[in-house]
Amino acid sequence: DAKTTQPNSMESNEEEPVHLPCNHSTISGTDYIHWYRQLPSQGPEYVIHGLTSNVNNRMASLAIAEDRKSSTLILHRATLRDAAVYYCILRDWGGGADGLTFGKGTHLIIQP
Amino acid sequence: AAGVIQSPRHLIKEKRETATLKCYPIPRHDTVYWYQQGPGQDPQFLISFYEKMQSDKGSIPDRFSAQQFSDYHSELNMSSLELGDSALYFCASRPLGSSYNEQFFGPGTRLTVL
Repeated sequence: DAKTTQPNSMESNEEEPVHLPCNHSTISGTDYIHWYRQLPSQGPEYVIHGLTSNVNNRMASLAIAEDRKSSTLILHRATLRDAAVYYCILRDWGGGADGLTFGKGTHLIIQP
Repeated sequence: AAGVIQSPRHLIKEKRETATLKCYPIPRHDTVYWYQQGPGQDPQFLISFYEKMQSDKGSIPDRFSAQQFSDYHSELNMSSLELGDSALYFCASRPLGSSYNEQFFGPGTRLTVL
């Protein structure tokens, strides 16, 4: 799997938007960009994924650069429950049964 | 909504003993994945099964084996346990349909090897 690079940690205030960046300069044309998060003492949780176009769901938005070499996960209004480690993961479109390769994610700290 | 069930939730074993972890996927999920997360580490993929056949293999030690049964539940068997096997073991499952990529994780089994 192609490699991703994320900041080790980020800090934000409650009820403010959070932008979590991810660089993936070696992404291939068939790689989807997935985001998972892991809350303290829980298993990882799917957040969102996309290929080329920006994506929105009830949890977050995913903004993908035009050249696809970077992406940004956007939490529109962070709450204390969003404090977690966020992982940006590349998955080949045909690799549904393949395992996820978790790199060093971003530890998001939310201040009240 | 139904979630992935893992048992036991906690397990304490001695060195050189064996352990069996069980995973019950969400109904109508046909793919199961196993991950290991050591203290302060990120999750590491071990192995996956699709329709009861091994699909992908990660950094699973030779001392570990796994299988998926006809009812889609899976078991991870660990032998000759070492202190370094102490970790959280997560199971995840994926819905029927090969184009669906989202994995749903269970709460994990915490294995402590003394």
